[in-house]
Amino acid sequence: QVQLQESGPGLVKPSETLSLTCTVSGASINFYSWSWIRQPPGKGLGCIGYISESGTTNFNPSLKTRVTISVDTSKNQFSLKLTSVTAADTALYYCARWLPELGVFDIWGRGTMVTVSS
Amino acid sequence: EIVLTQSPGTLSLSPGERATLSCRASQSVSSSYLAWYQRKPGQAPRLLIYGASSRATGIPDRFSGSGSGTDFTLTISRLAPEDFAVYYCQQYGSSPLTFGQGTRLEIK
Repeated sequence: QVQLQESGPGLVKPSETLSLTCTVSGASINFYSWSWIRQPPGKGLGCIGYISESGTTNFNPSLKTRVTISVDTSKNQFSLKLTSVTAADTALYYCARWLPELGVFDIWGRGTMVTVSS
Repeated sequence: EIVLTQSPGTLSLSPGERATLSCRASQSVSSSYLAWYQRKPGQAPRLLIYGASSRATGIPDRFSGSGSGTDFTLTISRLAPEDFAVYYCQQYGSSPLTFGQGTRLEIK
């Protein structure tokens, strides 16, 4: 079955860049759209953005100036980069497969906690 | 953006009982784009319902979704022990996509 696994540093310093990778198994990354979602402590889930199978990206307006999502087809992975982080970016980060025709995330990773602190 | 308000915040029930979870939208949402998810600690969230009322692959038929416009409901007909979790609704009818804040379903 399709599985997603997030990886990356659990601690990032303020003003630096948060980088996470999602490794996809059980499906080719070429044929689907992929997304990142996060949940700050005590707050709700929020979609960071997604990348389509054609490479088109769509980001949450509140984050779009700081976010990059890219795909590495050779490794069947996709990545998130968030620049100039602050404590407000501390969150549980999830990667997920995005089905735009249904408007849902049908497969998720378990999530990885990232703390922004000096 | 569309704000989704879920109620109650916490629901305390016993196994075998019926659970009714509400998701209310600040503006009308296309039923085609209203979904429900289940999340348990340390596990990947699971898609339960899409299109307001269609069960995702492998979801037991004790889970059902209904509603339209601004009011949507997730019903679990007879709670199994593994159903105690946090449930989220999500809409994509209007950009940006948004989630509700969640309902925690706990064992009474």
